[in-house]
Amino acid sequence: EPEVTQTPSHQVTQMGQEVILRCVPISNHLYFYWYRQILGQKVEFLVSFYNNEISEKSEIFDDQFSVERPDGSNFTLKIRSTKLEDSAMYFCASSVWYEQFFGPGTRLTVL
Amino acid sequence: GQQLNQSPQSMFIQEGEDVSMNCTSSSIFNTWLWYKQDPGEGPVLLIALYKAGELTSNGRLTAQFGITRKDSFLNISASIPSDVGIYFCAGPNEKLTFGTGTRLTIIP
Repeated sequence: EPEVTQTPSHQVTQMGQEVILRCVPISNHLYFYWYRQILGQKVEFLVSFYNNEISEKSEIFDDQFSVERPDGSNFTLKIRSTKLEDSAMYFCASSVWYEQFFGPGTRLTVL
Repeated sequence: GQQLNQSPQSMFIQEGEDVSMNCTSSSIFNTWLWYKQDPGEGPVLLIALYKAGELTSNGRLTAQFGITRKDSFLNISASIPSDVGIYFCAGPNEKLTFGTGTRLTIIP
């Protein structure tokens, strides 16, 4: 069964460093998303992406964040200058329409 | 923003028992999704609901889209150990808002 994959599974970085989180969505899906989950809290929407552009973003998704679909299969989330409070699980999801399928996540730890 | 409140917050049950949980929204939803999340993993989609009053099953799981369109219910029948986890409702569109979650624990 096709699934969303994410790399790396765990990323440790120093405050102020740039990180890129990678995702391979399900191949026939058209909509792509990033969510984050701070430890012990619920999953929060960051951004949605359709037709090579951002379609929605939350107030969390500020200028430090960017997304890109550099080729036909990958979807990336870049955090330009990480802060301690960016430490969280980051989930990529994809969908054909409303039913979003999530990847296993990348645990980002900012020291 | 939208608020999704789930109840109960946690449940402690014995294997074989039936489980009921619900989710209430502060606004009308057109879509309800139910997810299960195991520790350290991504949410797994269980059931999607699209119409008020709709009742949909997935194995031992049954979910209903409330008639008011502001609530949804999830039932699990004859619980087994692998049902342990956190259950989230979510909606209403591409910008998913997740509920506060119901943590299910099975007591041996």
